Amino acid sequence: RKEVEQDPGPFNVPEGATVAFNCTYSNSASQSFFWYRQDCRKEPKLLMSVYSSGNEDGRFTAQLNRASQYISLLIRDSKLSDSATYLCVVNKGRSGNTPLVFGKGTRLSVIA
Amino acid sequence: NAGVMQNPRHLVRRRGQEARLRCSPMKGHSHVYWYRQLPEEGLKFMVYLQKENIIDESGMPKERFSAEFPKEGPSILRIQQVVRGDSAAYFCASSPGLTSYEQYFGPGTRLTVT
Repeated sequence: RKEVEQDPGPFNVPEGATVAFNCTYSNSASQSFFWYRQDCRKEPKLLMSVYSSGNEDGRFTAQLNRASQYISLLIRDSKLSDSATYLCVVNKGRSGNTPLVFGKGTRLSVIA
Repeated sequence: NAGVMQNPRHLVRRRGQEARLRCSPMKGHSHVYWYRQLPEEGLKFMVYLQKENIIDESGMPKERFSAEFPKEGPSILRIQQVVRGDSAAYFCASSPGLTSYEQYFGPGTRLTVT
């Protein structure tokens, strides 16, 4: 089983649509969870950390289910500028200061 | 507050040459991580360093690759005797450590081996 699994997409959605991405991870010892976005040939940019209680930042909502080892990201009212690859990321071990393990990403294209 | 700095942004080396990649973490960050992204692949961890110490090098190839983070100056990832398979984007990330575990990435160095 891969350490972090994501549906590679692509997801092609019209502007204004709501889109959801899912991710599963295999290491039950992971303590920190994140969503990053990566534009073509650029560095990953931190979108948001993910907490067990769930968290929201504007149009973006992230959820974590530790029992199922499942993470989700919901984007509401999609904009053209949301087009990117979304990376599900977990840390490697029990301590927070550990390397990150990246999924291969889900590609999103928002179409006018 | 400047972000993570990496240089050079692009590096071309012939097979057998050495490549040196530099990373300056964000101000106040003492934890540095190196990741590699092969074409059409996800990011893979290589090495984790704090000042003057290698904490975790489990992702580093056993030969030709080394990393350091000296007391003064940037972190260096060194690749000796490069081969075509080393062509990739190399990203450095930094985190403050105690106060936050979030990692912030530099713009990367794109290494091309000809």
